Amino acid sequence: ETGVTQTPRHLVMGMTNKKSLKCEQHLGHNAMYWYKQSAKKPLELMFVYSLEERVENNSVPSRFSPECPNSSHLFLHLHTLQPEDSALYLCASSQEALGLNYGYTFGSGTRLTVV
Amino acid sequence: QKEVEQDPGPLSVPEGAIVSLNCTYSNSAFQYFMWYRQYSRKGPELLMYTYSSGNKEDGRFTAQVDKSSKYISLFIRDSQPSDSATYLCAIGESASKIIFGSGTRLSIRP
Repeated sequence: ETGVTQTPRHLVMGMTNKKSLKCEQHLGHNAMYWYKQSAKKPLELMFVYSLEERVENNSVPSRFSPECPNSSHLFLHLHTLQPEDSALYLCASSQEALGLNYGYTFGSGTRLTVV
Repeated sequence: QKEVEQDPGPLSVPEGAIVSLNCTYSNSAFQYFMWYRQYSRKGPELLMYTYSSGNKEDGRFTAQVDKSSKYISLFIRDSQPSDSATYLCAIGESASKIIFGSGTRLSIRP
C-alpha cells in the first residue's frame, strides 16, 4: 500500500457508542493530522502530531481523543458523539524539516454519521 | 474578517477555457501557500505549493502569490472535464498553522 490509508471508509454510530478511526501512512513522513470537513465549511484542523509532539486545537471537544503510537499510525477515538459531529474526517501526513512543511498528503477520509 | 477568504462558486466554464481561482488572506505573517484539488468522495490532493511571491508553473497549472496584496491565484490553462473538482487554497505561517479556504467548486463543460 502507498500513501495514506484510512479505515473505515464509512461509519454510522449511535450517540452512546465508542468507535475508533484509523489512519496509516506509508510515506515516511514525520507529522500526522486529523481534519474535520463539514459541508460548505473550511477544513478544520483537529489535532497535529509533529515530531511525536501533540499540538491541539483547543476548540475540539473532549469526546474526540487522538492517539499516535508511532510515526506511521494515527487513531481518533470517538465516544458519546453528537449529530453535529457527522462529517468527513480526513487524516493527513507531511514531512517537516527545519520548520518547513512540504504539503499534506490526505487519505480518502471516513464519512461519519451520528444517529 | 476571516483569515482566508475563497469564493465558493460554483464556477462553470467551457472546455479549453482559462480558469482563474483566487483567495485572499489577512495575516502578513503567512508564508505557506498551497492549492489542493478535491474530487467527490476523495481527500484533497496537493497541486502546488510555494513560499514566496511570484509565479510557479507546473504543466497547465500556474500558482501566483502577491504578498503585498495578500492575494493568491491558481490558473488552469486548456481546462479539461477532468479538472472538474473543488479547489482549496491553504495558507499559513507554520506547518501546524495552515488555514484552508472553503473551496471553489469548478465544473468544466465539454
